[in-house]
Amino acid sequence: DVKVTQSSRYLVKRTGEKVFLECVQDMDHENMFWYRQDPGLGLRLIYFSYDVKMKEKGDIPEGYSVSREKKERFSLILESASTNQTSMYLCASSFPDRQYTEAFFGQGTRLTVV
Amino acid sequence: DAKTTQPPSMDCAEGRAANLPCNHSTISGNEYVYWYRQIHSQGPQYIIHGLKNNETNEMASLIITEDRKSSTLILPHATLRDTAVYYCIVRVQGAQKLVFGQGTRLTINP
Repeated sequence: DVKVTQSSRYLVKRTGEKVFLECVQDMDHENMFWYRQDPGLGLRLIYFSYDVKMKEKGDIPEGYSVSREKKERFSLILESASTNQTSMYLCASSFPDRQYTEAFFGQGTRLTVV
Repeated sequence: DAKTTQPPSMDCAEGRAANLPCNHSTISGNEYVYWYRQIHSQGPQYIIHGLKNNETNEMASLIITEDRKSSTLILPHATLRDTAVYYCIVRVQGAQKLVFGQGTRLTINP
């Protein structure tokens, strides 16, 4: 059974803390993605990676960075957490697009910054 | 990627067919139509995709109009477990990312 696993379902951090959100996939996918989801705004792409050590900015990269040192792991980093980064964070992975690409999502991490 | 327009919410009775519309009037020839759904407190789940022909799988059917400017996702016998937000996405073949809109919140009523 395919799996995208996010390290935490719920996380509470203080303003100014450095926060790491981890995502691991076991499907040997080249592509990995980080989204955030907020009420009324839907899912918005933060960053994606199409290979180890490769990354591209999505629609809302400000305040975030990412790391992809191994194919199966994609980390989202909040360098200095702020309250406006309180959100649901979703990781996804997929093969590179051929005819089509189904993306698989993790269960999400609900981050609260206080 | 072309934008999509979906109704914000819909209701359907359990056991009936749920028909979810999507407008994508600016779709171009190399863009596929994808549908995902998100059940409460879970990540989105792929349902089906198509280019211009109608498609069917074990979850749903996808009907794309001949001019490809709109499509309909059909859940033939909706159950309470089909209550979710349904996203219609158009995506260029070869594009690496999915861009989600607001989706349709489908409620299946007993």
